[in-house]
Amino acid sequence: QQQVKQSPQSLIVQKGGISIINCAYENTAFDYFPWYQQFPGKGPALLIAIRPDVSEKKEGRFTISFNKSAKQFSLHIMDSQPGDSATYFCAASMYSGGGADGLTFGKGTHLIIQP
Amino acid sequence: NAGVTQTPKFQVLKTGQSMTLQCAQDMNHEYMSWYRQDPGMGLRLIHYSVGAGITDQGEVPNGYNVSRSTTEDFPLRLLSAAPSQTSVYFCASSRRAQGHQPQHFGDGTRLSIL
Repeated sequence: QQQVKQSPQSLIVQKGGISIINCAYENTAFDYFPWYQQFPGKGPALLIAIRPDVSEKKEGRFTISFNKSAKQFSLHIMDSQPGDSATYFCAASMYSGGGADGLTFGKGTHLIIQP
Repeated sequence: NAGVTQTPKFQVLKTGQSMTLQCAQDMNHEYMSWYRQDPGMGLRLIHYSVGAGITDQGEVPNGYNVSRSTTEDFPLRLLSAAPSQTSVYFCASSRRAQGHQPQHFGDGTRLSIL
């Protein structure tokens, strides 16, 4: 299984600041890049996802930036709030191939937003 | 509005015991999958199913069996539990139209093998 490398492992941001989490992938066949948010004791929840035909997707305070040539994508959380404190996972899969063989996940980023 | 329901939430087993982790969804989703989550490892796919009667292996299938006799249920069986199977197990589901990408996860089963 091809890797998805996620950084940083942990991140502390002041309330109102911008949180940035980065991911890099190896398999050029990947064409679906979701981000999941996970709170303690809960399952991951799909936050936002992007296909490689666009370079950016925004939903509220959450933005994915995608750089196909560099094989990198990132999550930006604008105006970060204490309620955003969670673990964030990036992932990748081959959507066009049916995607049934699942997602390849990064190892996660533990985000803390300080009041 | 239950979504994906996993039972039990916690379980402790002895090495060599067998058990079944239950997963049920009430959204009529065709695609269901099982992942395990280990510290510092992200989530890894164990088995998946694209519909009733159809299952296939994921990245880490050894030691686990699955079956899909109905659209709603996708149980995961540990045949002979080993300490290496201590983990948090998540079941997920999605519609075929979503490209089989996990859209809804359950809240997990926390399993300890002694």
